[in-house]
Amino acid sequence: DSGVTQTPKHLITATGQRVTLRCSPRSGDLSVYWYQQSLDQGLQFLIQYYNGEERAKGNILERFSAQQFPDLHSELNLSSLELGDSALYFCASSVVQADTEAFFGQGTRLTVV
Amino acid sequence: GESVGLHLPTLSVQEGDNSIINCAYSNSASDYFIWYKQESGKGPQFIIDIRSNMDKRQGQRVTVLLNKTVKHLSLQIAATQPGDSAVYFCAEGLSEKLVFGKGTKLTVNP
Repeated sequence: DSGVTQTPKHLITATGQRVTLRCSPRSGDLSVYWYQQSLDQGLQFLIQYYNGEERAKGNILERFSAQQFPDLHSELNLSSLELGDSALYFCASSVVQADTEAFFGQGTRLTVV
Repeated sequence: GESVGLHLPTLSVQEGDNSIINCAYSNSASDYFIWYKQESGKGPQFIIDIRSNMDKRQGQRVTVLLNKTVKHLSLQIAATQPGDSAVYFCAEGLSEKLVFGKGTKLTVNP
């Protein structure tokens, strides 16, 4: 167990809908990272937050947004969902801003039908 | 653009043998590299990292080699065990951003 908790584990929704994925980082970790893993694209970095502030942005679509709350948990919001958004979404956390040893959660499997 | 790729999508080894997983990267400005292991149904797990100012780093049964001249990274696993069966990803990092390769699936045969 990495100590990073992601909910829900599985999510099935229809195209055009909006979903929210939640991540609770390890106790004491200030950095949260979101990744998307699909069969054809591999692991793609989406966005990083550090202590509530956005620190780095990767290949995140405009339809997606994220935030980190004062209690350090984070949410990834995916809207106007398309079939191609079906993927595993991972959250990772680390103590500091650019810690290579980030710990990953078990992921949320999103299926858009 | 930034890209990290793996030479082989699958690797099959006998238990007890040494495994070598290779990775090519393209961004010469990357300042660190990481190897992750992902078992079925789980999130990636950190194995070892190496900074760009190093060419070798050893961990427990694992060694990472970095050749900046040819932009090549490798992960060596000594005395491979069935529990090492997983998909292995290399990733290159610049500041807080990580770019992952597509992964190599390692299968350890008993």
